[in-house]
Amino acid sequence: DTGVSQDPRHKITKRGQNVTFRCDPISEHNRLYWYRQTLGQGPEFLTYFQNEAQLEKSRLLSDRFSAERPKGSFSTLEIQRTEQGDSAMYLCASSSTGTGVTGELFFGEGSRLTVL
Amino acid sequence: GDSVTQMEGPVTLSEEAFLTINCTYTATGYPSLFWYVQYPGEGLQLLLKATKADDKGSNKGFEATYRKETTSFHLEKGSVQVSDSAVYFCASLYSGAGSYQLTFGKGTKLSVIP
Repeated sequence: DTGVSQDPRHKITKRGQNVTFRCDPISEHNRLYWYRQTLGQGPEFLTYFQNEAQLEKSRLLSDRFSAERPKGSFSTLEIQRTEQGDSAMYLCASSSTGTGVTGELFFGEGSRLTVL
Repeated sequence: GDSVTQMEGPVTLSEEAFLTINCTYTATGYPSLFWYVQYPGEGLQLLLKATKADDKGSNKGFEATYRKETTSFHLEKGSVQVSDSAVYFCASLYSGAGSYQLTFGKGTKLSVIP
């Protein structure tokens, strides 16, 4: 049973560099979500895909952030010109159509970003 | 906007003690409510949920009742075990406008000592 996998698990970068995270959802899930979690806080919603369509974006997702899900399977989250305030855990989650409505998301272990 | 407030941690209990983690919400309309748990080194996972007022969610000995009158969804367990040590997140979901954004509380870290 493969769950949601994220790569890399930890990324250290210098301010101003670009970083990209990948998420592979549970194979039969058509919905995919990105959340961000900073220290001492709960996860905050960033964006949501249904298949390849990006249906919802948070205002937290500035112009430096872009997410894609080109074939409706894996997704990437790119952060351009990273800032120290981008340091956080980036969580990916997936759900099927039915469970997404009821709020049961399946989360990966996250990708931790440290911007120096 | 919607928000979830849960009791500050950390909480340290002895094994077999009674657990309550308070959670209150503010929301437009009537959201669904959830408790998610994050065990050390693992991803968040759904612990229990309730989708309407007076519903009780339960799982692994944990319970929470959706109280509309007090806008609360407190998590309880009668006898905690060391294996319950984790971070617990209360969350709400209002999908009335086609949104699927879960709103999380800050999390409460529970440590259970033998």
